[in-house]
Amino acid sequence: SAVISQKPSRDICQRGTSLTIQCQVDSQVTMMFWYRQQPGQSLTLIATANQGSEATYESGFVIDKFPISRPNLTFSTLTVSNMSPEDSSIYLCSVVYATGQYFGPGTRLTVT
Amino acid sequence: QQQVKQSPQSLIVQKGGISIINCAYENTAFDYFPWYQQFPGKGPALLIAIRPDVSEKKEGRFTISFNKSAKQFSLHIMDSQPGDSATYFCAASPNSGGYQKVTFGTGTKLQVIP
Repeated sequence: SAVISQKPSRDICQRGTSLTIQCQVDSQVTMMFWYRQQPGQSLTLIATANQGSEATYESGFVIDKFPISRPNLTFSTLTVSNMSPEDSSIYLCSVVYATGQYFGPGTRLTVT
Repeated sequence: QQQVKQSPQSLIVQKGGISIINCAYENTAFDYFPWYQQFPGKGPALLIAIRPDVSEKKEGRFTISFNKSAKQFSLHIMDSQPGDSATYFCAASPNSGGYQKVTFGTGTKLQVIP
């Protein structure tokens, strides 16, 4: 399995501001994934981040709103830009190993 | 065709009983079916997974049953315990030649009462 950490674990932010979420993995992985989980809901894939290339965004998610960096094989960041209350969610990073897909503990974001 | 339908939405089971969560899919390209367990305030944790070459997989008190012809799979939790109280997600993906996008079910909130 994977040891995945995220920072911050939670935050309360003002409307119109931006928050950058960090994800650190204990071993190198080619692909990292960012998911959103709205309260009481399932997981929705935001984007796939490969080291050395642009992230691939899913339908409904755009780079200007959710810019992603992937500077090396163990680290990625997701920025939630120009936040609105609708962005209040849990944001999860995830990696895939041969044994399966694993998720970080999540960042609980509340936008007021 | 990419949907994975999960039921029930919530489930209350007595301690020691059997919890059963069902999922159905339409995409015949799906060939990897994991289940995730999520406790409040935590990320989903991979619990158990099955591929369609077997009809059942058991790990401890957790069993996946798979019916390829019906395109259905289910999670059985035997001797359910209060510590099993969590939200469970089924998922499915095609898994030919590397990572493929995973489709998640809508989740089942399980409560095991003493």
